[in-house]
Parts: sequence; structure tokens; C-alpha cells
Amino acid sequence: GAVVSQHPSWVICKSGTSVKIECRSLDFQATTMFWYRQFPKQSLMLMATSNEGSKATYEQGVEKDKFLINHASLTLSTLTVTSAHPEDSSFYICRADRDHTEAFFGQGTRLTVV
Amino acid sequence: GESVGLHLPTLSVQEGDNSIINCAYSNSASDYFIWYKQESGKGPQFIIDIRSNMDKRQGQRVTVLLNKTVKHLSLQIAATQPGDSAVYFCAERGNTDKLIFGTGTRLQVFP
Repeated sequence: GAVVSQHPSWVICKSGTSVKIECRSLDFQATTMFWYRQFPKQSLMLMATSNEGSKATYEQGVEKDKFLINHASLTLSTLTVTSAHPEDSSFYICRADRDHTEAFFGQGTRLTVV
Repeated sequence: GESVGLHLPTLSVQEGDNSIINCAYSNSASDYFIWYKQESGKGPQFIIDIRSNMDKRQGQRVTVLLNKTVKHLSLQIAATQPGDSAVYFCAERGNTDKLIFGTGTRLQVFP
């Protein structure tokens, strides 16, 4: 079946540094990918919609200059958390839809900023 | 918009019993609904979906019921097993590709 691969699965970084998270659709092309953030004991919150070949669409309250999204190809979207701070520590999850119908999620990335 | 809760409601059931997890959705224009299972430290895993032109759909050991009148969705798990322990989220989708997630319910299965 379709698989969405997210890397890394966890990362620890120092405050002020940047972290890049990759999301790949392994056996299908996805013109649109989505990035979610999940804090402990909370639901998934949509951060942005990543569009191949164009700018990402950010949800209200999400800083586009802090969370840089690049959808360079039909199988890869990246989320870069710039100048990370401890409050950015969270579980980040990507999603890719096959044929604009079936939604597949990555394994998630646990980001810890120290 | 999205609902966020600080404390996940918990459903505790005995192994072998049936579980019913409920969800209230917000957008009457949503026409596609999905239940996801999320285990600790992992991404959501698809369980079952239903479109708004249906009110019931069955899978293997799972059934989803949709009541559009009161905007309510439920997930029934038959003969609950320890491996079913996880957090369950409902999600709704309208005329865009956005999936909006509910607050989630933690299912605990005890022997």
C-alpha cells in the first residue's frame, strides 16, 4: 500500500538553530501535502498546506517565516523550523493524499528544543 | 475551526467488550469523515471512513455511524483487544482537502 515516510523520527536541537523535517510519498505523487503539529494530549492542528511548485498556504496564527515549507517535487515536502525555541517542541506530522482522496500520514517527528 | 483540548477523555473497557467512541463535528458542510487511531509516538492510522450520503459503514470489527442531523459520528469496536488501546480521532473534510481533527479519545483496554 501507499506509504508516507517522514524523517527524522526524532530530533533534539539547541535553541536558536534550525531543523528540517522531510516528508516523502514513496509510491505515489502528491501535489499537495499537509503539515500538522500536535502537542501532548492534544489533537492534530493543521499548520499549513504545501503545494508543489508554489507557495505554501498557512493557517491563521502560524508564522510563515518561522515554519518554512518547500514542496520541491511531487514526492517531497520539507518543513524547516527556523530559530527554534523550546515552545516549538512538539510532534510534527505530515500528510499526503493519493488521488486527492486517500490521506496517508507520516510517522511523525518529535522535536525537542533545549 | 479546530478544537483543541488539554485533557483527552478516556474510555476504559474490558477486553472482549464492545467500545463506542463518539465525536461531534462542527461543519455541516463536511461530506467525508474518517476515524484514525494513533498510538503513542506515531502518526495517525486510518481505520474507517464514511461519506455523508451514508449513515453506517462496517469494516472488520469496526462500524462507523453518522448522524448528520445532530452532527455526530461514532466508532464502534467489537470485541475490543489490548492492541486497540490508543487515541482515536475523528476527522472531517468539506469542499477542500483540509482535514479537521476532533479532540480525540483515549481508549484503554484492561484484561
